[in-house]
Amino acid sequence: DTAVSQTPKYLVTQMGNDKSIKCEQNLGHDTMYWYKQDSKKFLKIMFSYNNKELIINETVPNRFSPKSPDKAHLNLHINSLELGDSAVYFCASSRGPTNSGANVLTFGAGSRLTVL
Amino acid sequence: KNEVEQSPQNLTAQEGEFITINCSYSVGISALHWLQQHPGGGIVSLFMLSSGKKKHGRLIATINIQEKHSSLHITASHPRDSAVYICAVRPGNQFYFGTGTSLTVIP
Repeated sequence: DTAVSQTPKYLVTQMGNDKSIKCEQNLGHDTMYWYKQDSKKFLKIMFSYNNKELIINETVPNRFSPKSPDKAHLNLHINSLELGDSAVYFCASSRGPTNSGANVLTFGAGSRLTVL
Repeated sequence: KNEVEQSPQNLTAQEGEFITINCSYSVGISALHWLQQHPGGGIVSLFMLSSGKKKHGRLIATINIQEKHSSLHITASHPRDSAVYICAVRPGNQFYFGTGTSLTVIP
């Protein structure tokens, strides 16, 4: 029973293509996140949704568009892929967005995107 | 400048050694997380701390909120502890991450 599941796990595509990564959580959490992990293993927040509403939108190119059809799903769509988009993208969820010590972060397994 | 700094960046230890990884942060928080990223890439949450100390098996995490500092200790280290350990803090709606400490434990 995977708590936070991402698909696909690996994605290899050509520059200029449009691709999506899907994320689903079965924990009943209200908040979901997308993170990008670069080649130096540094995790950086991209987006955060709480109950389907966007609450964090860091400085990412507008080629990246998150979509949350319901609070259990947060998908990431990337248009016109570039070489620099190659990275591992992690989805995560937590119970809520508030600054509460009770909010444990649960990660998906990651999706490795390679743009050729 | 990153809001969360970890040290060391890389650490190699002999099996059985006591290991310490440090995390300092510059923002006000109510909780700090220690994460472990396996060689295969998956990330799991080890601890969430708001004060004092927590212990789970051979892992111990401590935090000093006043000094904005946390440490992760591994006692009797084992090669299966080899991973990247990441410190994360949460001041508000998002998490700030450290750059990670890559630990290799040699048999």
